[in-house]
Amino acid sequence: DGGITQSPKYLFRKEGQNVTLSCEQNLNHDAMYWYRQDPGQGLRLIYYSQIVNDFQKGDIAEGYSVSREKKESFPLTVTSAQKNPTAFYLCASSMGPRKTEAFFGQGTRLTVV
Amino acid sequence: AQSVTQLDSQVPVFEEAPVELRCNYSSSVSVYLFWYVQYPNQGLQLLLKYLSGSTLVESINGFEAEFNKSQTSFHLRKPSVHISDTAEYFCAVTGGSQGNLIFGKGTKLSVKP
Repeated sequence: DGGITQSPKYLFRKEGQNVTLSCEQNLNHDAMYWYRQDPGQGLRLIYYSQIVNDFQKGDIAEGYSVSREKKESFPLTVTSAQKNPTAFYLCASSMGPRKTEAFFGQGTRLTVV
Repeated sequence: AQSVTQLDSQVPVFEEAPVELRCNYSSSVSVYLFWYVQYPNQGLQLLLKYLSGSTLVESINGFEAEFNKSQTSFHLRKPSVHISDTAEYFCAVTGGSQGNLIFGKGTKLSVKP
C-alpha cells in the first residue's frame, strides 16, 4: 500500500543532543513537508522540499535541518540549537506545490528528558 | 498572506445531536479547501475537499461541508454525531508561500453519550 512512514513513533532526547526523525514515502510525490504540532497552535511549517536536493525554510526552521537526497526520503534533524523541541512532528507529501491535498504520516512524538 | 480561522477551539455535543465546526479563510482568490481529522497520537487524515464544481462536498462517514465564496467560509457539518467522531478537526486552504497548505488551529470535537 502507498503511504508515508514516519519513525520512530516516540523519541526521547537528552539536553544538547541531536536527533533525526525519519520520513519515507512511496507515493511518488515530488513535494514533502515537515510540520510541528503543539497543543492549541495547529500545524506550523518547519521545512519544505519541492524536488530532490532542494529545500526551503518554513516559518519555524531555526534549530532544525533537513536533507532530500532521494525523492522518497526527507529526514528531519532536531539540533541542540532548538530550545524547545518537545512536540509532535508530522511529515507530509503532495504531488507538488498548490496541487490538491497533502498526505500525512502517523507522526513522531519527541520528548526532551 | 492567507490565513484560516477556526472559531471554536472545543465543541462538546451529545451523541446523535447535530454539529457544525466553523472555518473562515482570508483570501478571496481561488483556493482549494480541505478538512482533516486527527485522532489522538495519529497523523491527519483527509476528511473531504473542495476543488471546484458543486459547493457542497460530502465524506463517506456522513460529514459535509459547504463552500461559501461570498462569506469565505467552509463550515463542516454532521446531522447526527457518534462517539467515534470524537477527534480534532483541522480546516486547511492552499496558498502558503511554499506551496504548502495553511491550517487552522483545530477544533476538538467531544461527543458525549
